Amino acid sequence: EDKVVQSPLSLVVHEGDTVTLNCSYEVTNFRSLLWYKQEKKAPTFLFMLTSSGIEKKSGRLSSILDKKELSSILNITATQTGDSAIYLCAPFGQGGSEKLVFGKGTKLTVNP
Amino acid sequence: GAVVSQHPSRVICKSGTSVKIECRSLDFQATTMFWYRQFPKQSLMLMATSNEGSKATYEQGVEKDKFLINHASLTLSTLTVTSAHPEDSSFYICSAIEGGRGVWAPLHFGNGTRLTVT
Repeated sequence: EDKVVQSPLSLVVHEGDTVTLNCSYEVTNFRSLLWYKQEKKAPTFLFMLTSSGIEKKSGRLSSILDKKELSSILNITATQTGDSAIYLCAPFGQGGSEKLVFGKGTKLTVNP
Repeated sequence: GAVVSQHPSRVICKSGTSVKIECRSLDFQATTMFWYRQFPKQSLMLMATSNEGSKATYEQGVEKDKFLINHASLTLSTLTVTSAHPEDSSFYICSAIEGGRGVWAPLHFGNGTRLTVT
């Protein structure tokens, strides 16, 4: 059975802090790992990681995949209140059919 | 960029009625779409994988006769909640694979449908 564990489940920081969110997974026939940000509605796509050790960056956000450790981290530097959201990690595997399995998410709260 | 449109965004219906939710890929062909359900303060739970022109693949515990999925074209999948009951009240979200552009992963979600069954 596919498993995704995110930690921490909840995090409260002050503006300007740097945070690291963790995701570990067990997925049949791993293809890629995706990170999403969910605010009030549907998740918005952040990153797709397929290769180990290659960092992807978008502004203050970055992410990297470690296939050996079956894990990924999402870093946010110089956090802002607008970063407050639930961050979801989702490994994408090809079992009986392709599917995207979500972790429970990390709820990040950035206080001014 | 690729957009997935989901309609309606909000629906209230009476117990026993059926509700249809549409998910459209607006600028790409989606051979595969996913339907998720999200309860308050919980993560997205995959309900089923919808493949164009074939039967949907349902996750364990999801009643296929209750949640009818039709993926009749490369740009449209529908989820029909039949004989809805209050416990079906939830947030339903679809996602589509942008396979036509060589990116085999569900990058985009619809905005979701808030279903309330009274």
